[in-house]
Amino acid sequence: DAGVIQSPRHEVTEMGQEVTLRCKPISGHDYLFWYRQTMMRGLELLIYFNNNVPIDDSGMPEDRFSAKMPNASFSTLKIQPSEPRDSAVYFCASSLGRRYTDTQYFGPGTRLTVL
Amino acid sequence: GQQLNQSPQSMFIQEGEDVSMNCTSSSIFNTWLWYKQDPGEGPVLLIALYKAGELTSNGRLTAQFGITRKDSFLNISASIPSDVGIYFCAGPLINYGQNFVFGPGTRLSVLP
Repeated sequence: DAGVIQSPRHEVTEMGQEVTLRCKPISGHDYLFWYRQTMMRGLELLIYFNNNVPIDDSGMPEDRFSAKMPNASFSTLKIQPSEPRDSAVYFCASSLGRRYTDTQYFGPGTRLTVL
Repeated sequence: GQQLNQSPQSMFIQEGEDVSMNCTSSSIFNTWLWYKQDPGEGPVLLIALYKAGELTSNGRLTAQFGITRKDSFLNISASIPSDVGIYFCAGPLINYGQNFVFGPGTRLSVLP
């Protein structure tokens, strides 16, 4: 399997612009997670989906962030409008989720820089 | 809420040395996970622990689930250059669901 695929790998944008990050989970995995990693706050869970349905979005920082999963093989994380403090590495991960400790497989991440 | 602390924050060791790091929490965890993140990549699961007192090995790595259920330890024996990276502990934020909390990480550097 190709693993979790994320695009783009790097994104540089200006403050106020809309940013869309994309993720393709591992085929057959029922759970999809979006994380954000910064030096200050470490690795934080933003939102996760089960069978395309958002289960817990309590980690989403504010209304500027939104995530969708229109089908089992694709998810997006959108930031509109973007701000410099959104600069971070955003990871997507997926798991089988048969039990809550199932391994989460992480993608390579998208490094976002907002100028 | 449940938070995880890791020590040391960073360490520099000579190739061939053994490494020890730990993870602590003020709350009880029923599962401990150890991940490694290579530069420019996402974290990869190394070891999962499910029971207090459990000792599990994965090659040169050994992890233990503390008896108090509030801590866990990871040891690496005979370190090699490819051990360089950030090691994270993690656990389920609540005892159901898929919401995990990650520690701040221990950054390991291995000198040749």
